[in-house]
Amino acid sequence: DTAVSQTPKYLVTQMGNDKSIKCEQNLGHDTMYWYKQDSKKFLKIMFSYNNKELIINETVPNRFSPKSPDKAHLNLHINSLELGDSAVYFCASSHRGKNTEAFFGQGTRLTVV
Amino acid sequence: AQSVTQPDIHITVSEGASLELRCNYSYGATPYLFWYVQSPGQGLQLLLKYFSGDTLVQGIKGFEAEFKRSQSSFNLRKPSVHWSDAAEYFCAVDLNQAGTALIFGKGTTLSVSS
Repeated sequence: DTAVSQTPKYLVTQMGNDKSIKCEQNLGHDTMYWYKQDSKKFLKIMFSYNNKELIINETVPNRFSPKSPDKAHLNLHINSLELGDSAVYFCASSHRGKNTEAFFGQGTRLTVV
Repeated sequence: AQSVTQPDIHITVSEGASLELRCNYSYGATPYLFWYVQSPGQGLQLLLKYFSGDTLVQGIKGFEAEFKRSQSSFNLRKPSVHWSDAAEYFCAVDLNQAGTALIFGKGTTLSVSS
């Protein structure tokens, strides 16, 4: 009964490959996010979707493409992986509106070699 | 520039001692305020949150935080630290008060000595 689940938990891949990370939430939230945590543990928003519509798209390379097939899912596809993409990627979800908090998944540790 | 500052990168406290982790934000209005904890290899768990009202908020695991508008601060406290509290602590703000996105501080690593 995990609230926000991400797969895979670990991902090791070579430079130049294309990979996807999946996220699902069963909280009935209408907004989902991808955050990136770098090697210094700094967390930064990448994307936010509300009801399958992109509402936040921070300065992220075009190689990163989020896709939300429905309100409960937000996947992250990364093309042509680079060494600098190595990080922990967190999915989160919340209700959009007042007095709302975000729930986070366990993270996906991506290592590009 | 809008920012969230956690001045202490690393803090070590003795088990049983009190703890205060600092957080300051620089925005015009009062945002929603949060503290999250991240244990090694784990995701982020919400400790507590402030939306409005009483400026002293209680959270899980015996943590509390106090919002001080005059100081733009939201410091996290615990009266007696346990070894299991060793983790990374993040202060975060929701600028738009709309659940759109969080801005995080850089985190404070808490070590607990016996």
